[in-house]
Amino acid sequence: GAGVSQSPSNKVTEKGKDVELRCDPISGHTALYWYRQSLGQGLEFLIYFQGNSAPDKSGLPSDRFSAERTGGSVSTLTIQRTQQEDSAVYLCASSLKSIDRAGEKLFFGSGTQLSVL
Amino acid sequence: DAKTTQPNSMESNEEEPVHLPCNHSTISGTDYIHWYRQLPSQGPEYVIHGLTSNVNNRMASLAIAEDRKSSTLILHRATLRDAAVYYCILRDYYGGSQGNLIFGKGTKLSVKP
Repeated sequence: GAGVSQSPSNKVTEKGKDVELRCDPISGHTALYWYRQSLGQGLEFLIYFQGNSAPDKSGLPSDRFSAERTGGSVSTLTIQRTQQEDSAVYLCASSLKSIDRAGEKLFFGSGTQLSVL
Repeated sequence: DAKTTQPNSMESNEEEPVHLPCNHSTISGTDYIHWYRQLPSQGPEYVIHGLTSNVNNRMASLAIAEDRKSSTLILHRATLRDAAVYYCILRDYYGGSQGNLIFGKGTKLSVKP
């Protein structure tokens, strides 16, 4: 596709259930990011992938959160035993690998709205 | 990490220029200045970035103060579609955790017809 695709667009789950959120980056983009945005707040960085490896997991809020990326393409963010405070929009972004990361442009998907009841 | 300060909100009239300010008094020599915007119900989109010199592209212009402690995003003729939250972000050249984009709360721009 032309842009970053995320699925599902909306997910409603019950407290304590596990959820998986999927991100399809732009073809050829080697860098992939996950962010989350709570209602009325700015974006919170979660994790960064370069290829299949995650050199920066510093933003994952707890060990209930994990992410993987296979084949240098699709990524899945998994939240185990969901809590109500996990309710947010989860955004994925991808970019071309750049030696100069400071000039890197991120392309974002439209996000997955997660609601934990 | 170097931080940025932006007004919470601004208003503009359609077809008038808009100047969105950003203060970053603790910027380091290796920090680039990035701007993204987020339209309602969408993910952020890249607008522009620069290091020292003023920059222009089809979307906007970026004016950077000589001491680099502040910058201004300029929309030359605001349209209703420009109503969004605008984020000013510093990004370290050397990457690592400091190289990730750290978003603040940004400036919510309203455009009146």
